[in-house]
Amino acid sequence: DIVVTQSPDSLTLSLGERATITCKSSQSLFHSRNNKNHLAWYQQKPGQPPKLLTYWASTRESGVPDRFSGSGSGTDFTLTISSLQAEDAAVYYCQQYVDPPFTFGPGTRLEIK
Amino acid sequence: QVQVVESGGALVRPGGSLRLSCAASGFPFSDYYMGWIRQAPGKGLEWISYIGDRGVRIYYADSVKGRFIISRDNAKNLVYLQMNSLRGDDTAVYYCARGGSLLREAFSDWFDPWGQGTLVTVSS
Repeated sequence: DIVVTQSPDSLTLSLGERATITCKSSQSLFHSRNNKNHLAWYQQKPGQPPKLLTYWASTRESGVPDRFSGSGSGTDFTLTISSLQAEDAAVYYCQQYVDPPFTFGPGTRLEIK
Repeated sequence: QVQVVESGGALVRPGGSLRLSCAASGFPFSDYYMGWIRQAPGKGLEWISYIGDRGVRIYYADSVKGRFIISRDNAKNLVYLQMNSLRGDDTAVYYCARGGSLLREAFSDWFDPWGQGTLVTVSS
């Protein structure tokens, strides 16, 4: 099974700052069948289900603010929030979907000062 | 609108069984894979099972393989999770979510949307 890790476990930043969360996989998530990286990012706020932010590593889901951006390829990926807003406080998860079981990372908790 | 709604969560004794249901609406259900993901209290997300659009392709996490059974009824827009031999570490909120579809894109196996979840508590 593919193991997915995230760092940091948590971070606390101020409004307007830039947040960077990394996700690493034990195997490449790039697949030659479609030349894409099979990685998604989700945001989960307390008491709510996860919400899809990006897929194919860097494609932003419709309606997601453009301050959220995904990047990376192969085994190393990043979610960047360019200018933090109060409502971005949440736990962020990455998920690989190249090979079942489609494992999630352990999550990164983002707090806003 | 596109939505999925879980039901069936309950308090159950260790060793017991429970069946969760997920009702889908607002999209062509029979064209989409569907999945179950769980979240233990205060913990992260765990992918546990996934079923293909026709119910032929089925996948399980090792943690539930041999105990849980996923199925679907395309005529009723329902997906089920039959959970047997339940243990304390199965205690979690169980989410149903829409997965991939050729209507969207091949291999598009991310989850969107998710239901609100249903709580399963395994305790004596």
